[in-house]
Formats: sequence, C-alpha cells, structure tokens
Amino acid sequence: AQSVTQLGSHVSVSEGALVLLRCNYSSSVPPYLFWYVQYPNQGLQLLLKYTSAATLVKGINGFEAEFKKSETSFHLTKPSAHMSDAAEYFCAVSRFSGGYNKLIFGAGTRLAVHP
Amino acid sequence: KAGVTQTPRYLIKTRGQQVTLSCSPISGHRSVSWYQQTPGQGLQFLFEYFSETQRNKGNFPGRFSGRQFSNSRSEMNVSTLELGDSALYLCASSLAGTSGGADTQYFGPGTRLTVL
Repeated sequence: AQSVTQLGSHVSVSEGALVLLRCNYSSSVPPYLFWYVQYPNQGLQLLLKYTSAATLVKGINGFEAEFKKSETSFHLTKPSAHMSDAAEYFCAVSRFSGGYNKLIFGAGTRLAVHP
Repeated sequence: KAGVTQTPRYLIKTRGQQVTLSCSPISGHRSVSWYQQTPGQGLQFLFEYFSETQRNKGNFPGRFSGRQFSNSRSEMNVSTLELGDSALYLCASSLAGTSGGADTQYFGPGTRLTVL
C-alpha cells in the first residue's frame, strides 16, 4: 500500500532562511509525487509534481524538490523564505489502480516565517 | 481558463439534516474527486467520478454519496448529518485520470460545512 510521511507538523524559519520540508513515501511501484500548498480558507494549490522525467523538479514560487529513490524521499526546498510562504504544505502520492485516480496525502506541515 | 468552483463556500446545518455540495470542474476535465479535510484525520479521499460513473469510493459510510452529470459537474450528498461530518470538503478535477496516476488534480476552494 502506498503512504506518505511528513516529518514535522510545524516548521518555523526566519525570512530569508532556507526552507526544508520533509516527505518520505512508501510505494511498491514507481510513484507519482506531488507537493501542494494550502493558504488559510483556501483549497490546495499545486507547487510541483514528480512523474519520473527528472529527479530534480522545479515548481512555482521558487520551490523545488528532489526525488531520491534510495532514500524514498521527496523533500521540498526553497533557498530563501518569504513571509508569503507561510502556509500548510502537503506531500501526496498518486495511486492509480483499477481504473481510478486517487491522491494519498501526508498529514501536512505548517510553515511559519518570522521576520 | 476558470478554475474549479465549489458552491456554497460555507454551510451550517444541524444534526440529522442532509446537505448537497456542488462542484464545477475545469472545462474539459472529465474526472472529479472529492476529499474531506479535518484537523484530526487530515485529507481523506471520498470518491471519484468519471463519465458519470463512480469509479471508486473511500472508506466512508453510505451516508456519503455523489453523482456526476453529463457536463462533468458533480454533487456530493451527506444524509443524516453527524457532528463529526464538520469539515472542509474539497473537490478536485483532472483531465481524465487515466494516465497511470500522473494526472494533476486541481482543487477548488472547498465548502466549509459546520454541523451543530
């Protein structure tokens, strides 16, 4: 069965500091992996996705993630945090089985950015 | 292109009532999925519809149901509401949901349901 673990339910960084949000997956087949961001009172917005084309994936707003099969990880990074990055971030793995498409989400990491 | 829209954005109901939520997918998208988001359980898959057919359902009681219309718009219904049904209900659409799981799901803003 596929699953996703996000290490750290809360992460706090200073403005301008590196952002690192951790995600590990469990999958018996090559996974498709996604990072979504959720701002207060809003839905989920796609940041980036991995579909096996390249291990380093660049997304929107300066975020990127690296797929490491040996570590079963897909950590999200941003070199310099901005106040507007404060939000909740979700890592997800896609399961396609029996003809349907389903996202399995991690528990989420709430990112706080302080001046 | 317009994004996924959901109506209403907020709902307040009392226990025992029923509720219907609506979702309009991105134009051209044929797959619609529903998710429930709560602080305790996180994001959980409810069901997915494609070409007016429910392809699969998550681990929720039969009180939760849905349907999809020929224009791909979808509704979900919750009958006999319980306090624990209070949640943010998110709808997501994708092109076809048949590309082996690589399809991107685009989410709407959600409907915040409060059950009193």
